[in-house]
Amino acid sequence: DVKVTQSSRYLVKRTGEKVFLECVQDMDHENMFWYRQDPGLGLRLIYFSYDVKMKEKGDIPEGYSVSREKKERFSLILESASTNQTSMYLCASSTGGAAREQFFGPGTRLTVL
Amino acid sequence: KQEVTQIPAALSVPEGENLVLNCSFTDSAIYNLQWFRQDPGKGLTSLLLIQSSQREQTSGRLNASLDKSSGRSTLYIAASQPGDSATYLCAVRNSGYALNFGKGTSLLVTP
Repeated sequence: DVKVTQSSRYLVKRTGEKVFLECVQDMDHENMFWYRQDPGLGLRLIYFSYDVKMKEKGDIPEGYSVSREKKERFSLILESASTNQTSMYLCASSTGGAAREQFFGPGTRLTVL
Repeated sequence: KQEVTQIPAALSVPEGENLVLNCSFTDSAIYNLQWFRQDPGKGLTSLLLIQSSQREQTSGRLNASLDKSSGRSTLYIAASQPGDSATYLCAVRNSGYALNFGKGTSLLVTP
């Protein structure tokens, strides 16, 4: 079974803090993704990576950055957390082939106070 | 930009009923369509993936169909059970890597 894990299930941070969310997949997938999910807005793509050290902006990259130093690990960084970044953050991975079925991690519920 | 709509937003049915969840999308030039299940406060579980060249996929009591030309997909759940209660999300992939998601249908199956 594909396994995507996220470093924390719940996280509480203060405004202005630098926040790291980590995601690890064990299926040697080329592609990895970070989404956020908010009530009424659904899932929105923040960033994705199609290879080590490669990244592309999604629909809402402002206030976020990412890092992919190893194939299995994709980190989302909130440079200076703000209250409007309180959300559920979901990581996903997929193969590089045509099928590209996406598999998701359990999510991190981030609260910024 | 691809728009994905799921109707209804919420659905309540008694146990044992067969039911259909609907998904529509505005740009029919898709590579594939994926159905997910999400339990409250949890991540997404992939249920079925339909490639653009396929008409349907089946897994157990679930059957998903795809009509690309009309921009529609349906998820059929046979003999529903209380354990099927969850939010069901439809997502489509056009060219590129990312999925475009609908806002989901919240399903409640009552005993």
